[in-house]
Amino acid sequence: NAGVTQTPKFRILKIGQSMTLQCTQDMNHNYMYWYRQDPGMGLKLIYYSVGAGITDKGEVPNGYNVSRSTTEDFPLRLELAAPSQTSVYFCASSYLGSPSSTDTQYFGPGTRLTVL
Amino acid sequence: QKEVEQNSGPLSVPEGAIASLNCTYSDRVSQSFFWYRQYSGKSPELIMSIYSNGDKEDGRFTAQLNKASQYVSLLIRDSQPSDSATYLCASQDDKIIFGKGTRLHILP
Repeated sequence: NAGVTQTPKFRILKIGQSMTLQCTQDMNHNYMYWYRQDPGMGLKLIYYSVGAGITDKGEVPNGYNVSRSTTEDFPLRLELAAPSQTSVYFCASSYLGSPSSTDTQYFGPGTRLTVL
Repeated sequence: QKEVEQNSGPLSVPEGAIASLNCTYSDRVSQSFFWYRQYSGKSPELIMSIYSNGDKEDGRFTAQLNKASQYVSLLIRDSQPSDSATYLCASQDDKIIFGKGTRLHILP
């Protein structure tokens, strides 16, 4: 199993450009999440999904969109990129909604995005 | 606004000593609490979860929860240089809220 994969690893965008961050998991997990992590800060939840066709906003959803057409994929779309969206983006997945000793939350390697 | 507070550190601990990491949370209805370890430039990994008051031990790690004081801690016994990382505390009610993390540095 590859676990959670994210592409690209790095990206530089100009202000106003758009892009899609890809996330795929091969563990048949129901729950998927997108977080952003600014330097020296914790993780902030952007969007999450409890299953194919179902998404919901997290703590910081403005400027982003998501879709979940399959169990495996959970892409994050940035429209009209702004410097405030410069961050490291992590995708994660879990079988259940609450991490536990029997169901951990698996993170992808992250995408480092810079908006200039 | 639900918050999880952690001292950012760095916390420096001699090798072989006990490292003590602390965290407070604002949401009284939070039911689940987690400690993640994050090495520099890497993604977080879950190392401990705790749901009820008291202590929970797993190897060299002990998580402690006091819901009355809204306080969670992580003890790392026999600290090793490989424990040097940022430790993120998180609480969960309907969503997971992360603290900013505490940088731990184990001195060889």
